[in-house]
Amino acid sequence: TQLLEQSPQFLSIQEGENLTVYCNSSSVFSSLQWYRQEPGEGPVLLVTVVTGGEVKKLKRLTFQFGDARKDSSLHITAAQPGDTGLYLCAGYISGAGSYQLTFGKGTKLSVIP
Amino acid sequence: GAVVSQHPSWVICKSGTSVKIECRSLDFQATTMFWYRQFPKQSLMLMATSNEGSKATYEQGVEKDKFLINHASLTLSTLTVTSAHPEDSSFYICSAKRGNEKLFFGSGTQLSVL
Repeated sequence: TQLLEQSPQFLSIQEGENLTVYCNSSSVFSSLQWYRQEPGEGPVLLVTVVTGGEVKKLKRLTFQFGDARKDSSLHITAAQPGDTGLYLCAGYISGAGSYQLTFGKGTKLSVIP
Repeated sequence: GAVVSQHPSWVICKSGTSVKIECRSLDFQATTMFWYRQFPKQSLMLMATSNEGSKATYEQGVEKDKFLINHASLTLSTLTVTSAHPEDSSFYICSAKRGNEKLFFGSGTQLSVL
C-alpha cells in the first residue's frame, strides 16, 4: 500500500505553462516535504510544511498543505526548462515516530523549451 | 549547510563480488542514517535505518545478510552489497539526520553489476 499517492506520475509541458502536482494520503502527516531530484543526484529539499492550510512560496513555486494535513500540492508558475526533474513529496506520519520519512512515487516533470 | 558525502558516485562490478558504499556526514554528527534504493524513474525505497553503535533496522523484504550495514561512528555508515547480482543494479542513496532536524541526502551511488 502506497501511503503517499502522487499525481501525475509524468508531466510534459511547454515552457511558460503552469502546472500543479498533487500528493495525497489517507494518513495524517505531522509535516510534509517536497524534494527535487535530478538524474544521478540525491534529492534536494525544497520546502517543509507543518501547519494545516499552510502556504509557502519559493519564487515561482507555491506549496500548500491541506487543512487536514493529509494532502499537499506544488504549483509551478511559468515553468522553465530548469524546472525539469523528479519532484518527490515525503512526510512524517503523525504519531508513527519522527524518524521514518515516507516518500511518494514522484512526478517526473519535463519542461520543453 | 550540512553536507553528506557518499562514495563512490558510481561503481561497476562483476557478478558475485561485494561492493561497499560509504556515507559520511561531514560537518555534523548523525546518530541515525538511512539507506535507500531507487530504480529508474521511481521513488526512493527505504532499505534500512542505521543507528550508531547498534544493529540496523531493515525494512520488510530487504535481506540483511545481503545488504550489510555498519554505523561504526557518528559520521560514517557503510552499506556493503554482498555477492552482488545484476538485479542489485540500482541507485543507492543515503541520508543523515542531524538531531531532530531535516534529513540531508548524499549524492547517491549508481551500482551496475555485470
